[in-house]
Amino acid sequence: SQKIEQNSEALNIQEGKTATLTCNYTNYSPAYLQWYRQDPGRGPVFLLLIRENEKEKRKERLKVTFDTTLKQSLFHITASQPADSATYLCALDMWDYGGSQGNLIFGKGTKLSVKP
Amino acid sequence: KAGVTQTPRYLIKTRGQQVTLSCSPISGHRSVSWYQQTPGQGLQFLFEYFSETQRNKGNFPGRFSGRQFSNSRSEMNVSTLELGDSALYLCASSLTGPGANVLTFGAGSRLTVL
Repeated sequence: SQKIEQNSEALNIQEGKTATLTCNYTNYSPAYLQWYRQDPGRGPVFLLLIRENEKEKRKERLKVTFDTTLKQSLFHITASQPADSATYLCALDMWDYGGSQGNLIFGKGTKLSVKP
Repeated sequence: KAGVTQTPRYLIKTRGQQVTLSCSPISGHRSVSWYQQTPGQGLQFLFEYFSETQRNKGNFPGRFSGRQFSNSRSEMNVSTLELGDSALYLCASSLTGPGANVLTFGAGSRLTVL
């Protein structure tokens, strides 16, 4: 079955540095891969979606890469700020080859702490 | 526009009881997914409904059930509660389903089973 691994449970960095989070998956490559942010006591909030035929996607200080050969996605936050401190989740679609719609499965997340 | 609304936000139950959680999706969204989140297991998929039909189900026992109404509102029910059911239950809606559509999550219902 498809598995997602976010290599680091926690990542501590200094303000202004670039945070890089890793998401690896096994088995088949998903058609779409998404990243979400979750703050304590809240539901996840969508950040970026990248398609299998896209190598890179950017949104303001955020950048996502998708390498289907390595079965890996990297999530970068440049010029990080203490307000970026949160848990970041990667998620990918999981299609039923019987033809039904897929569902989204999530990694366990990486807790990012940005120190001033 | 209004986001995804989940009620109740917090509840405490005892073992053996049952609980019903409610989710109102974003207007126009027809797909509702439910997830259980615990510190050890992360977000685990429970089920997904679209147009009142359950399209997908995760690997949870039959004590976990759900339904969707014609207005897309959804409920999930957990019967014969166990201590291990203590978790944050999250509902998410999307236009037609996960994958290319992003999920918009509610704030969750925090269930504590004593």
